[in-house]
Amino acid sequence: DSGVTQTPKHLITATGQRVTLRCSPRSGDLSVYWYQQSLDQGLQFLIQYYNGEERAKGNILERFSAQQFPDLHSELNLSSLELGDSALYFCASSASLAGTYNEQFFGPGTRLTVL
Amino acid sequence: EDQVTQSPEALRLQEGESSSLNCSYTVSGLRGLFWYRQDPGKGPEFLFTLYSAGEEKEKERLKATLTKKESFLHITAPKPEDSATYLCAVEGGGFKTIFGAGTRLFVKA
Repeated sequence: DSGVTQTPKHLITATGQRVTLRCSPRSGDLSVYWYQQSLDQGLQFLIQYYNGEERAKGNILERFSAQQFPDLHSELNLSSLELGDSALYFCASSASLAGTYNEQFFGPGTRLTVL
Repeated sequence: EDQVTQSPEALRLQEGESSSLNCSYTVSGLRGLFWYRQDPGKGPEFLFTLYSAGEEKEKERLKATLTKKESFLHITAPKPEDSATYLCAVEGGGFKTIFGAGTRLFVKA
């Protein structure tokens, strides 16, 4: 158990809908990362937040948005869903303290199925 | 552009047959190179962080090494429970994390 929690575990929805994925980082970790993993692709970095602020942005679609709240939990919002958005979505957290390595600890993922 | 390439895509070993996985990378301002293990349907599990060329880390049957252009994950006398996908990732100066496509390892008893 990495200490990172994600809800829900599974999500089935229809095209055009909007969903919210939730992530709670390990206790004390300041950074949260979001990744998408589909069958034919590896882990794709979406976005990173550090202590409430956006720090890095990857291949995140405009239909997707995220935020990190004052208690450090994070939410990933996916809207106008398409069939191709079906994937495993992982959240990871790291301490991100100065002078330390930023190894990330991953949650169990949310499996999103868009029908 | 930051890039990570892993080889081979898949590796089949007999139990006890040692081998190495390769991770070649191009990154601006390497902040760290990471190895993860991922079992099907689960989140990646952190194994090692390497930062500077010449650095080595060991854990049980696994040993990770780093040069200026690549990293190797050596697996000594593997067991069937070592079967998994092994992922390499780099974090560059822009704080983006780039993952390779992974090497799927199968160890047969």
